[in-house]
Amino acid sequence: ELKVEQNPLFLSMQEGKNYTIYCNYSTTSDRLYWYRQDPGKSLESLFVLLSNGAVKQEGRLMASLDTKARLSTLHITAAVHDLSATYFCAASNTGNQFYFGTGTSLTVIP
Amino acid sequence: DVKVTQSSRYLVKRTGEKVFLECVQDMDHENMFWYRQDPGLGLRLIYFSYDVKMKEKGDIPEGYSVSREKKERFSLILESASTNQTSMYLCASSLWSNYGYTFGSGTRLTVV
Repeated sequence: ELKVEQNPLFLSMQEGKNYTIYCNYSTTSDRLYWYRQDPGKSLESLFVLLSNGAVKQEGRLMASLDTKARLSTLHITAAVHDLSATYFCAASNTGNQFYFGTGTSLTVIP
Repeated sequence: DVKVTQSSRYLVKRTGEKVFLECVQDMDHENMFWYRQDPGLGLRLIYFSYDVKMKEKGDIPEGYSVSREKKERFSLILESASTNQTSMYLCASSLWSNYGYTFGSGTRLTVV
């Protein structure tokens, strides 16, 4: 079974600062996904990373994938309050089943 | 946009009741999934289906069953609800894994 670990689990950061969320997975996976969840809401897709070295950016968020290190990162640049949410990564191997990390709860403080 | 619709946002049921959670998607997706989400435990896969009338157990299938009689509809059944099944239930669908999942809005089930 593919195991996915995220860290940190909780992140409190000031507006304007930069930070990175890390997502490690246990076995070979060539696909990595990032999702955002607002309190009481469902999960919204942020990024789909399909190959080693893939990098995607949307606004203040940038995600990358290193399949050799079995690591994906979600980098937050100049955080703003609207980014406060829980962020999940998920990995997929040969099938269509995803394995989720436990999530990183991000709070951006003014 | 793909829509995944879960029939109830909030549900309160009594212990021992049979509970049906319905999920419908409108984009002809092959794959459908049921997860439960609990604080500190993340998302755990209950059941999934790759085709009509096909189902596969996920990581925590005990106490649950599913039905997929039509491609667009995937139902989760709690045969005899128990308090430890109080949770947020999320349905998702996908065409292929390259596209990721689309999630429904979730059903928060409370069993009393």
